[in-house]
Amino acid sequence: QITLKESGPTLVKPTQTLTLTCTFSGFSLRTSGEGVGWVRQPPGKALEWLALIYWDDDKRYSPSLKNRLTITKDTSKNQVVLTMTNMAPVDSATHYCAHRVAGWGHFDYWGHGTLVTVFS
Amino acid sequence: SYELTQPPSVSVSPGQTARITCSGDALPRQYASWYQQKPGQAPVLVIYKDSERPSGIPERFSGSSSGTTVTLTISGVQAEDEADYYCQSPDSSGPSFGTGTKVTVL
Repeated sequence: QITLKESGPTLVKPTQTLTLTCTFSGFSLRTSGEGVGWVRQPPGKALEWLALIYWDDDKRYSPSLKNRLTITKDTSKNQVVLTMTNMAPVDSATHYCAHRVAGWGHFDYWGHGTLVTVFS
Repeated sequence: SYELTQPPSVSVSPGQTARITCSGDALPRQYASWYQQKPGQAPVLVIYKDSERPSGIPERFSGSSSGTTVTLTISGVQAEDEADYYCQSPDSSGPSFGTGTKVTVL
């Protein structure tokens, strides 16, 4: 059974860097085809894809945010880490990590999400 | 990422059929998926590869595709189907999500 769980700060100040960790089980990023993505959702707004990382370290970023995002993996810990620089109040959102298989196009398992508020 | 357009809202009476559309230029070339999201909860995959249903998803959920539009159909709508629904499809730069549709069961 695949599970994912997001962790990180609930509050960050403007201009700070956000670091979020996704800890997962039920699959391995050493296995061909496996991937993890990050999606955010501002309160009352739509889902927005942020970044993806695959077993072979292939990384993809949202074109509108790619200058601020970095995604990495630690296969020994079954974790994926997302950093977002220069946070602003408009970046306040619930952040989800989700499982994806390369070539499938969809996210089949999601974490419960973690709300990050940017507030001075 | 590119734009996927959905109607903001759809209202339907219990037992009736709800249809939610999603339009995007790349949809003729890419599979679409659909997610259900209830308040305070994470999205749940209800349709993938345009019309495939994951295990555990009721048969009343179905998907179809025609040209630049994909459609999620909920047949025999139940009160528990009241939620936000999002389409999603990849393009060369990564996944894109639709604008979202709120389904209200009257």
